[in-house]
Amino acid sequence: DVKVTQSSRYLVKRTGEKVFLECVQDMDHENMFWYRQDPGLGLRLIYFSYDVKMKEKGDIPEGYSVSREKKERFSLILESASTNQTSMYLCAGRRGRVGPQHFGDGTRLSIL
Amino acid sequence: SQQGEEDPQALSIQEGENATMNCSYKTSINNLQWYRQNSGRGLVHLILIRSNEREKHSGRLRVTLDTSKKSSSLLITASRAADTASYFCATETSGSRLTFGEGTQLTVNP
Repeated sequence: DVKVTQSSRYLVKRTGEKVFLECVQDMDHENMFWYRQDPGLGLRLIYFSYDVKMKEKGDIPEGYSVSREKKERFSLILESASTNQTSMYLCAGRRGRVGPQHFGDGTRLSIL
Repeated sequence: SQQGEEDPQALSIQEGENATMNCSYKTSINNLQWYRQNSGRGLVHLILIRSNEREKHSGRLRVTLDTSKKSSSLLITASRAADTASYFCATETSGSRLTFGEGTQLTVNP
């Protein structure tokens, strides 16, 4: 089975901190994605990557950056955390350019 | 704005009944996918239907796609308590990105 692992299920940070959310996949997926999920807004794409060292902005990239130094790892970075970034963050991987995405269990991030 | 919109937002049925959820979208698509999310967990892919397909089955799941109406439906037959979850449709366009709807919360009462 495909395995996408997010490093933390729950995380609490303070306003202004730099926050790293890590995601690792074990299925050699070229494509990886970061979403946030908020009540009433569904899933919104933050950033995605088609290959190592490549990144593309999604629909809501402001306040975030990403890093993909190795194929299996895709990190989401909150440069200076703010309370409006409190959310559920979901990472996903996909083998090709189209088709199903495989999700991790999510990180519920609270910014105080 | 979201590409896909699910209807209803919430659905409560008895075990053994069928559950139907609908999804509407706005632009041309390559495929449409349905996902399930159990409370506090990630999304799990259920089924993918391509734009040139009209119906697809997988176990107790049946998905239809009407590209002229820009709509899809997910039917779960003989529902079980374990089917309780949120269900999302997601559309994939030529840009290879998925756009998700807000989901339908399904509750199956034992």
